[in-house]
Amino acid sequence: EAQVTQNPRYLITVTGKKLTVTCSQNMNHEYMSWYRQDPGLGLRQIYYSMNVEVTDKGDVPEGYKVSRKEKRNFPLILESPSPNQTSLYFCASSRDRGKEKLFFGSGTQLSVL
Amino acid sequence: GESVGLHLPTLSVQEGDNSIINCAYSNSASDYFIWYKQESGKGPQFIIDIRSNMDKRQGQRVTVLLNKTVKHLSLQIAATQPGDSAVYFCAENNAGNNRKLIWGLGTSLAVNP
Repeated sequence: EAQVTQNPRYLITVTGKKLTVTCSQNMNHEYMSWYRQDPGLGLRQIYYSMNVEVTDKGDVPEGYKVSRKEKRNFPLILESPSPNQTSLYFCASSRDRGKEKLFFGSGTQLSVL
Repeated sequence: GESVGLHLPTLSVQEGDNSIINCAYSNSASDYFIWYKQESGKGPQFIIDIRSNMDKRQGQRVTVLLNKTVKHLSLQIAATQPGDSAVYFCAENNAGNNRKLIWGLGTSLAVNP
């Protein structure tokens, strides 16, 4: 089954404790992206990747890192999480940026205390 | 503290009626438009897309209409069912902004039995 898999589904952590949210897709997609979703603010792009070893900042990249060492994986790293990073995070992938539909993961609800 | 943002527009319809969800887009150069459905606790799910060389596109129970003159996009859902209750997002993009998807804030559809 074609899917984007994110883990964990829920995460509670404390300020400053590094964490990684994993994302994997099985569709051989070149484009992958991370979004955060906050009430009233819609979906905001954090980082995206056009292909292996190619990553770019989205609209809200501060406090986040990503890597794309393999085509299927695109982890999101919070080196020193802060409470304002409490949010619902989605990973997404598509064959091509902006010209093909995005497939989304189920989301990761992160709470930073 | 609590974030302040826009309240999500809400459309309430009776089961079996047709629903029309509207979206005003911002850039007259946009040439690709897409609708997503997000059910509670899930990631956004692709519904239908349309390119600017078309005015209308139909799927199963859904129709997207594009009016480029007034930069307006609509999603019509025929015979709305309780399972259609969700938040619906429109998005646009164009080659001029590196194919970045510009997301609307969403419309909440509530289907009354």
